[in-house]
Amino acid sequence: EIVLTQSPATLSLSPGERVTLSCRASQSVSSYLAWYQQKPGQAPRLLIYDASNRATGIPARFSGSGSGTDFTLTISSLDPEDFAVYYCQQRSNWPITFGQGTRLEIK
Amino acid sequence: EVQLLESGGGLVQPGGSLRLSCAASGFTFSTYAMNWVRQAPGKGLEWVSTISANGDSTYCADSVKGRFTVSRDNSKNTLYLQMNSLRAEDTAVYYCAKGRSTSCYSCAFDMWGQGTMVTVSS
Repeated sequence: EIVLTQSPATLSLSPGERVTLSCRASQSVSSYLAWYQQKPGQAPRLLIYDASNRATGIPARFSGSGSGTDFTLTISSLDPEDFAVYYCQQRSNWPITFGQGTRLEIK
Repeated sequence: EVQLLESGGGLVQPGGSLRLSCAASGFTFSTYAMNWVRQAPGKGLEWVSTISANGDSTYCADSVKGRFTVSRDNSKNTLYLQMNSLRAEDTAVYYCAKGRSTSCYSCAFDMWGQGTMVTVSS
């Protein structure tokens, strides 16, 4: 099973700041990595698929990069609605696995 | 508009069974792989199962293998999860999720239902 490790566990930032979230895989997942955003009481929302492709309707301030084992999700300028939990997910190998999540908090 | 609506959750005793349903609309259901993902209270996301577009191929997490069965009825645009021998650790919100593309089996999940809560407790 491929283990995804997200860091940091929690981030406290202010609106307007730039943030980079990390996801590291225990073995190569090529570019088969996705990022999701989840707000309290809501279902997850797909942000990025295949490492760097924005999903439909996702604002341009969200970007993804990486390949192999190291990936990042960058939010160029935090909007108040961006404070949420972010998960990475790999689909390279069965079982599909998720990272443990990074919580983005308002400072 | 793509919609996924789960139902069938509830309170069940350990060892009991439940069948979850996910009614899909707004897209050609029969051409997309579908998935179940769960989230225990206060915890992260856990993939549970995937079924191919035509239903011929399925994958399940080891934690549910032999107890849960995913299926679909493309004539009814509905996805199912039959859950048997339920345990306390199966307590979670269960989401159905649509694969992003018709061209990949294990795609990213681009649409999710609102979830249905399953509580396993005596």
